[in-house]
Amino acid sequence: GESVGLHLPTLSVQEGDNSIINCAYSNSASDYFIWYKQESGKGPQFIIDIRSNMDKRQGQRVTVLLNKTVKHLSLQIAATQPGDSAVYFCAENILPTGRRALTFGSGTRLQVQP
Amino acid sequence: DAGVIQSPRHEVTEMGQEVTLRCKPISGHDYLFWYRQTMMRGLELLIYFNNNVPIDDSGMPEDRFSAKMPNASFSTLKIQPSEPRDSAVYFCASSWTRDNEQFFGPGTRLTVL
Repeated sequence: GESVGLHLPTLSVQEGDNSIINCAYSNSASDYFIWYKQESGKGPQFIIDIRSNMDKRQGQRVTVLLNKTVKHLSLQIAATQPGDSAVYFCAENILPTGRRALTFGSGTRLQVQP
Repeated sequence: DAGVIQSPRHEVTEMGQEVTLRCKPISGHDYLFWYRQTMMRGLELLIYFNNNVPIDDSGMPEDRFSAKMPNASFSTLKIQPSEPRDSAVYFCASSWTRDNEQFFGPGTRLTVL
């Protein structure tokens, strides 16, 4: 399957541990952010999003934290499972988006060790 | 809904040949996006449509690439002539609005020999 990059940063965690995946964005005007998960051989799949009027948003086993001061986004996965192994992308945009579409980061590979 | 449908899933062709990739977005989605993913450049937006009209094609690498959306349920991405550096996975995605999550298809893996 397709995945991104020989040079992707890789996070290796033990099954059951919590994972934290980080993303730095460069455009201070960005105010909408999405995390995607891409498993081998598949297209990216939406995980969770957050708008800039929030610092934190929680989903099922996932939490996204946004620090606008340092332009940093993180994805926390609780009780990481082998099925969480994938490449994770953050994407950003500015609302209203005008002609601009989502801009994707380069991705982080998460490897879950049994 | 079956999700975004792409065909073919795999395409192997020789340099100079024309390649056509196809996409059927999720019904009711007004936006359709074409992306290319490579190991070197990651995920790149090529072009996107709103209500079948191309809005931003600034990501299209060169004139060899063209995309059309003749109706709300079908889009094509064509490469003519193809070159080995076009080898990549091409994804189609659709969404209700530009600001909402995009739903990706399974991708077409293109290999140009």
